Amino acid sequence: DTAVSQTPKYLVTQMGNDKSIKCEQNLGHDTMYWYKQDSKKFLKIMFSYNNKELIINETVPNRFSPKSPDKAHLNLHINSLELGDSAVYFCASSQDRGPTGDTQYFGPGTRLTVL
Amino acid sequence: AQSVTQLDSQVPVFEEAPVELRCNYSSSVSVYLFWYVQYPNQGLQLLLKYLSGSTLVKGINGFEAEFNKSQTSFHLRKPSVHISDTAEYFCAAVGNTDKLIFGTGTRLQVFP
Repeated sequence: DTAVSQTPKYLVTQMGNDKSIKCEQNLGHDTMYWYKQDSKKFLKIMFSYNNKELIINETVPNRFSPKSPDKAHLNLHINSLELGDSAVYFCASSQDRGPTGDTQYFGPGTRLTVL
Repeated sequence: AQSVTQLDSQVPVFEEAPVELRCNYSSSVSVYLFWYVQYPNQGLQLLLKYLSGSTLVKGINGFEAEFNKSQTSFHLRKPSVHISDTAEYFCAAVGNTDKLIFGTGTRLQVFP
């Protein structure tokens, strides 16, 4: 059983389109995250949710909108896609929030290519 | 500013040789430190973490790391690497804003 799953694994689309990436975790965790990994492999947090409440919102364009229908799901919707949005997007989850040193479990990633 | 620095972007080694991947953190971050591994086309997997206690931390796949507060370092080591250890390795730390801050990664390439 996959602990943190993401769909789709690959996403190729045209500039200006709107797309969504879905994430689900079956670990019973309370906190979920979205990270962006750029072409140089640099990883940076975008958002985190704890029990469906937004707790971290980095300096991300408002074209990116996370949605958490329940604590097991955190989806990422992106409007008006731009070339610079091309990256690998990782979902992750952890039991707790806060600087507890809690392990984050990562999904396999979604490679988004904007043409 | 909070930061995690991985000094080596690439480390080539021969199989069965020892390896050390270096990581330094800024003293402004908390001392919760992690090493993650990313195999090609996969997500990140936790290798080990330091929260408190013994400064020598043992992880999966024969890796270990040592927390050195005076040098603000958390270097990752393995005494004998295998071809299957070829991957990207990320050091990370929990900052005071509840965020996991990653280094830029080190590509470990093991040659036969």
